[in-house]
Amino acid sequence: DQQVKQNSPSLSVQEGRISILNCDYTNSMFDYFLWYKKYPAEGPTFLISISSIKDKNEDGRFTVFLNKSAKHLSLHIVPSQPGDSAVYFCAACETSGSRLTFGEGTQLTVNP
Amino acid sequence: DTGVSQDPRHKITKRGQNVTFRCDPISEHNRLYWYRQTLGQGPEFLTYFQNEAQLEKSRLLSDRFSAERPKGSFSTLEIQRTEQGDSAMYLCASSLGTAGREKLFFGSGTQLSVL
Repeated sequence: DQQVKQNSPSLSVQEGRISILNCDYTNSMFDYFLWYKKYPAEGPTFLISISSIKDKNEDGRFTVFLNKSAKHLSLHIVPSQPGDSAVYFCAACETSGSRLTFGEGTQLTVNP
Repeated sequence: DTGVSQDPRHKITKRGQNVTFRCDPISEHNRLYWYRQTLGQGPEFLTYFQNEAQLEKSRLLSDRFSAERPKGSFSTLEIQRTEQGDSAMYLCASSLGTAGREKLFFGSGTQLSVL
C-alpha cells in the first residue's frame, strides 16, 4: 500500500511563476514530513521539513504547508527558477520511527 | 566535505551471481541507511545502522540480502543469488543524531542491472 502519494508525475511552470507540488498521506502515525530534491545521476538532497505541530514552514523561496485534517502537504516554490528543475520527493516519518516513507516523486520543469 | 560515497556507481551481473556494494558515510555521522529505488518510484527503506548496530530491517530485505557496518564506519550491502527483480538503484544515506528526524545525506547510488 502506498502510504505517501504524489499524484502528479510531472509539472511544468514558467520561470518566475509559482510551483506548487502536492503530496497526500494515509498513515495517521506520520508526524514529520520532508521534501527532497533529486537531479539526474545524483542522490536526493534535503530541501525542507515540517513537524505536525506546525502548519507552515518557510525557507527562502520554499514554503511547505501541512493540512493534518486532510492528510495533505504541499511545497510552494516562488519564484521558480530553471535550476529548480528536478524530481521532488515528499517523505514522511512516524513518531517513533527512523525510516522515511517516500512518495513516487514529481518531475518539475521550469521553463525560461 | 567528502559527502557520502558509494562504490561502484554501476554494476551489471548475471542472474544467480552475488554482488556487494560499499558505502562510505560522512565521517562523523553515526547513522547509516540503505534504500532501494526502482524506476518511477521513490526510495524504499531497506535497513539502517546506528554506529555498528543494525537496528531495523524492512520486510523488503529478504534472506538473500545482508548488510554490515563493521566498526561503525563504512557499510556493505550484499545480495546473494541475484534475481532480475533486484535490478534497481541502491542508495546509501547517513545522518548525525538519534532522534530519527535529522535530515539524510544521500550518496549518488549504485545502479544494479541483473541480466
